[in-house]
Amino acid sequence: DGGITQSPKYLFRKEGQNVTLSCEQNLNHDAMYWYRQDPGQGLRLIYYSQIVNDFQKGDIAEGYSVSREKKESFPLTVTSAQKNPTAFYLCASSTQGASYEQYFGPGTRLTVT
Amino acid sequence: EDKVVQSPLSLVVHEGDTVTLNCSYEVTNFRSLLWYKQEKKAPTFLFMLTSSGIEKKSGRLSSILDKKELFSILNITATQTGDSAIYLCAVRGGATNKLIFGTGTLLAVQP
Repeated sequence: DGGITQSPKYLFRKEGQNVTLSCEQNLNHDAMYWYRQDPGQGLRLIYYSQIVNDFQKGDIAEGYSVSREKKESFPLTVTSAQKNPTAFYLCASSTQGASYEQYFGPGTRLTVT
Repeated sequence: EDKVVQSPLSLVVHEGDTVTLNCSYEVTNFRSLLWYKQEKKAPTFLFMLTSSGIEKKSGRLSSILDKKELFSILNITATQTGDSAIYLCAVRGGATNKLIFGTGTLLAVQP
């Protein structure tokens, strides 16, 4: 079954701790994305990667870091520098091209107290 | 600044009603407009529109794009409780060809 998996589904952390969210895809997609979703604000792009070993900042990259060592994997680290980390995090992937859709994972709900 | 605006923000209807969701955009270098349905977790893809005036249809859902007036509508006829979800509109374009999302429309269909 092809798709995108994210783990864990729910994550709780204390303030000041770094936390890494997992995203894996077996769709053979080149591009992968991380979004954050807050109530009333839609999806905002954190980081994206169009090819292995390369990634770019999105609109709200501060306090986050990523790596893309393998085509299938694009983990996101929420660092202690992120001022308001509690949110729903969605990972997506897509093929390249001028018109293409993104496929989303099930998301991770992170709560930091 | 590129932006996508959806209206209404939320909507409550009864089963059997027809609804129209709106998406307007101001995005440079427009490539395509996408609609997604999000029911609790992952947004699932509904339609991708690139040309004006061509309706895309899937069952009770249909969508059309007007590139002159810079908007799209998503119609749902004979609504069912299973249509309750957040409907997201996104436009691909801008300087980096990324997806720019609207805030979504929360649709609640009551029995």
